[in-house]
Amino acid sequence: GNSVTQMEGPVTLSEEAFLTINCTYTATGYPSLFWYVQYPGEGLQLLLKATKADDKGSNKGFEATYRKETTSFHLEKGSVQVSDSAVYFCALRSGAGSYQLTFGKGTKLSVIP
Amino acid sequence: DTAVSQTPKYLVTQMGNDKSIKCEQNLGHDTMYWYKQDSKKFLKIMFSYNNKELIINETVPNRFSPKSPDKAHLNLHINSLELGDSAVYFCASSQPADEQFFGPGTRLTVL
Repeated sequence: GNSVTQMEGPVTLSEEAFLTINCTYTATGYPSLFWYVQYPGEGLQLLLKATKADDKGSNKGFEATYRKETTSFHLEKGSVQVSDSAVYFCALRSGAGSYQLTFGKGTKLSVIP
Repeated sequence: DTAVSQTPKYLVTQMGNDKSIKCEQNLGHDTMYWYKQDSKKFLKIMFSYNNKELIINETVPNRFSPKSPDKAHLNLHINSLELGDSAVYFCASSQPADEQFFGPGTRLTVL
C-alpha cells in the first residue's frame, strides 16, 4: 500500500535559518505529491504540489522537487520566519482519478526570533 | 466567505452520548471528506462522498455514520461516544482527484 514517511519533529530553528524537512514515499504507479501546512488552531492548507517526476512545486519561498529515483519530496526554504511556525504534512495521491490522500505524520516547526 | 465551514468548533460531551458535526462547502465541489487527527497530529481519512455517493469508507467503528443530504453538505454522526473518539475532526472538499480544501476542524472531547 501507499505510505509517506516524514522526519520526526519537532524542529526548532532561528529566524533566517535554512529549512529542510525530509519526506519519502512508497506508492504504486505515478503518485502526485503534496505539502500541506497547518497553522495553530487552523485546518490544513495546500502549500505546494508536484504531479510528475522532476516537477518542482514552489510557494511562499518554499520549494520541493519530485524525485522518483529516490522516492522523495523534501521541503526546503532558504530563510524561515517566525510566521512559518506550523505543522507541515507531506502527502501523496496515487495515480490519476484517485480521491484518497495518504499523509505523513507531520513535522512541527518552531521558528524563534 | 468561508469556503469549508464546520460546526461546532468545540464539542465537549460525556461518554455514551450521541453527537453530530456538520460540514458545509460553498466551493461547488463534488467530493467531500472526513478526517480524524489524533493528539499526535496524525491525520487519517475516514470517509469520502462524491456526488452524495460514498466512495471511501475506511475501517472506522460503525458508531460513525456520515450523511450527505446534498453535494454541499457532509455531516458526521457519532453514536455511543467513547474516550478514544476524542480528536480533532476535519472536513474537506475537492473536485474529484483535485486539491483538497480543509475546514477549520472540530475539537471533540469525550469525558
